[in-house]
Amino acid sequence: EEELVESGGGLVQPGGSLSLSCAASTFTFYTYWMSWVRQAPGKGLEWVANINQDGSDKYYVDSVKGRFTISRDNAKNSLFLQMNSLRAEDTAVYYCARAPYDSGRSYFFDSWGQGTLVTVSS
Amino acid sequence: DIVMTQSPDSLAVSLGERATINCKSSQSVSYNSNNKNYLAWYQQKPGQPPKLLIHWASTRESGVPDRFSGSGSGTDFTLTISSLQAEDVAVYYCQQYYTPPISFGPGTKVDIK
Repeated sequence: EEELVESGGGLVQPGGSLSLSCAASTFTFYTYWMSWVRQAPGKGLEWVANINQDGSDKYYVDSVKGRFTISRDNAKNSLFLQMNSLRAEDTAVYYCARAPYDSGRSYFFDSWGQGTLVTVSS
Repeated sequence: DIVMTQSPDSLAVSLGERATINCKSSQSVSYNSNNKNYLAWYQQKPGQPPKLLIHWASTRESGVPDRFSGSGSGTDFTLTISSLQAEDVAVYYCQQYYTPPISFGPGTKVDIK
């Protein structure tokens, strides 16, 4: 069964930066679109960003454009999210999520990691 | 952007009874050309990530019990749990993938009465 394991969350001050990672295993990582989806405490789900198989196409929700950068390293089966200029409203559990094989930019998610908590507070 | 809404916000159903959750999109998420509905349902239990239950509005994911079913087209969709079990206590989300940005409904909490 496919596995996604996020890391890198923690407490950061407003205006600070944080880098999240997602390690993928037991599937051919380089053939899948990947996304980050976040969930603020006690709230619903919000898609944040996604990236295509070779990393050439990247898309973001408006609220993080210019501040967050999604990337991937297919040789290391890893997905990343660099978060800069963090705000209190970025506080959330960040999930790494996989779209099904042979999907596209807008799709459902058939596999999720356990998530990593990012807290932005002074 | 497509806005998703769900009703009710929460519901409590007796064990073995039917639970029905509604999801509405601000514009159609169905393509006439391929007769597909770009709507998925997820289940999220406390402290766990979401789990995909249904995609294409009515296709159950492998391993999902057949008491879960999805229906609808256009802008109106329904998730039905035909006979509620204790392990079905969770929050349920709908999601459209008809057009980016991907968007989720606010969730419906299901409890035991």
